[in-house]
Order: sequence, then structure tokens, then C-alpha cells
Amino acid sequence: AQKITQTQPGMFVQEKEAVTLDCTYDTSDPSYGLFWYKQPSSGEMIFLIYQGSYDQQNATEGRYSLNFQKARKSANLVISASQLGDSAMYFCAMRENSNDYKLSFGAGTTVTVRA
Amino acid sequence: DVKVTQSSRYLVKRTGEKVFLECVQDMDHENMFWYRQDPGLGLRLIYFSYDVKMKEKGDIPEGYSVSREKKERFSLILESASTNQTSMYLCASSQSGIGTGGGSYGYTFGSGTRLTVV
Repeated sequence: AQKITQTQPGMFVQEKEAVTLDCTYDTSDPSYGLFWYKQPSSGEMIFLIYQGSYDQQNATEGRYSLNFQKARKSANLVISASQLGDSAMYFCAMRENSNDYKLSFGAGTTVTVRA
Repeated sequence: DVKVTQSSRYLVKRTGEKVFLECVQDMDHENMFWYRQDPGLGLRLIYFSYDVKMKEKGDIPEGYSVSREKKERFSLILESASTNQTSMYLCASSQSGIGTGGGSYGYTFGSGTRLTVV
């Protein structure tokens, strides 16, 4: 079964607007962490933001925020005030306490920011 | 600046060749991982290692093996390369231990090796 589902293969967003990338996950482990990574065309994976399953507040890092809805098992990434440099592929990933050190990744969403 | 370094950015090999992909990290991390990335499939775990000389199969280990003789180095080996192993290969490392809520110990990735098998 797919642990991480990203249903949006690609998205277009206008510069300076906000964009929401969807991520749903599947786990029966009460203790887990959720990550978002950015992969520009150069190929490197850049860590953006982390949310722990016991965290009471939604995580924020600069223009990135994570809309964590635990009951719905969703962890959407919101990018505010999009910039041309935000054009990249974005991956949602999960690490479960019961699954040692492994991250499970979604298929990714390609974001293209238009001027 | 801490780094995970993959020896080759682009590689072209012939079917049947034995291929070595090398990865070195300078962060003293216990855990190291090899993923392959294919369009529409995301990243899939091939093998990982949580200590020197220790290895565990990931989700798609068939056709691959690994070696970890030193803490900082994790090698992926394609015993007999095939065209369906054409892919982007990403190495990563992480600290050991699980913190609250699954741990905030994410991965540090290398820049990837784009392997083409012809």
C-alpha cells in the first residue's frame, strides 16, 4: 500500500501568489514525522520543513508552512508569495518510529511559477 | 559545509557491465541510504545501512548489492547492469535515533547520479 500520496503531478502558479501542495499519508504508527523536500532541475534534494506527529502547532519555515490535519492524515505544504526560484519538484515523505530510519516518499509534484 | 558526495554526476554503461556508484558523507552519520528516482514513482529505497558492514534491503533490492566497509562510504553495486536500471540514483545519510514524533532527523542527500545503461 502506498504510504504517501501526492495527487497533483504538476501545478502552475503565478508569481507572488500562494500555492498548496497536497499530501496524504497512511500509517498506524502513532509516532511519525513528515517532511517536505524540494528538488530543483539541478537534482539535489533540499529539506524544507518537518512536522512531528505529536507537534501541537503547524510547522512554519519562512515562506513554507505545513497544514497538518492529523485526523485526515494530510500534510499539505503551503508556499506563500511564490518566486520564480520556487519552480521545482516537491516531495512529501514520512518516517515512522516502527520503520527504523527509512523515509517513504510520494511521487512528487512539479511546480512551475509563471512571471 | 556538511556534505554527501556522489562520485559521478552522469554515467553511461553498457548492458552486462558491473557498475559501482560511490557515496561519501562527512557528517559522521550512522545511517546511509541508496534510492532510485523515476518519473511518476518518486524515490524508492534500494538498500540502507545503519552501521559499518551492516545492510538491509529496501523496497527494490533486486539486481543491486551494497558495501559499507567504512562509516563514511556507502557503495551501490549493479552486478550486471540492465537497461531497466537506467535511472537517477540518490544517496543520503542521516543521524541515528528516533526523536519525538518520529524524529526530526531527516536526510542529507547527495546531488545524484544519472545512470544510463545502453
